[in-house]
Amino acid sequence: SAVISQKPSRDICQRGTSLTIQCQVDSQVTMMFWYRQQPGQSLTLIATANQGSEATYESGFVIDKFPISRPNLTFSTLTVSNMSPEDSSIYLCSGTHSTDTQYFGPGTRLTVL
Amino acid sequence: AQSVTQLGSHVSVSEGALVLLRCNYSSSVPPYLFWYVQYPNQGLQLLLKYTTGATLVKGINGFEAEFKKSETSFHLTKPSAHMSDAAEYFCAVSDRSDKLIFGTGTRLQVFP
Repeated sequence: SAVISQKPSRDICQRGTSLTIQCQVDSQVTMMFWYRQQPGQSLTLIATANQGSEATYESGFVIDKFPISRPNLTFSTLTVSNMSPEDSSIYLCSGTHSTDTQYFGPGTRLTVL
Repeated sequence: AQSVTQLGSHVSVSEGALVLLRCNYSSSVPPYLFWYVQYPNQGLQLLLKYTTGATLVKGINGFEAEFKKSETSFHLTKPSAHMSDAAEYFCAVSDRSDKLIFGTGTRLQVFP
């Protein structure tokens, strides 16, 4: 298994600013992902964080808005740039050792005013 | 492409009653299927998964699910609900890659 932590756990931000969310895994994982969970909704995959290279973004998500880094096999960051109230969501990272189990972090609850 | 449909956004049961949460999937390849639970203000926890082999899979906290290929279903059950089972439950499917497609979730309420 893998234990995943995220920082911050929650934040309240002003419109137009940016927030960087950190994701730390207690063991090396093959893949890391970032999801968004808008209020009352399910999880939507934002991107796959690739170690040492650019992230792979899903349709509707772009690097300028959600830059992602993954410098090693246990750590990744997601930045939410130029925030608007529509970005208010829970952002979750996940990691997997193999294709049949993903472990999730506790999420970062973001409110944009 | 994969998709997941969870019937019923809210399910309410009495403590001790049977829990049944429905999940139907669509997949062009033999799928991997998952149930996750999300307690209030927490992340997702894996309840159980089906990859291959036995179609009835048992998970944590007394939950189980049965993969029925003919019905493209993976319903989650628990014989006797407990107050602590109140949470949001998500069904998810993958095409055996690392990408998960989630259903819209079912909120389970348990009444005393």
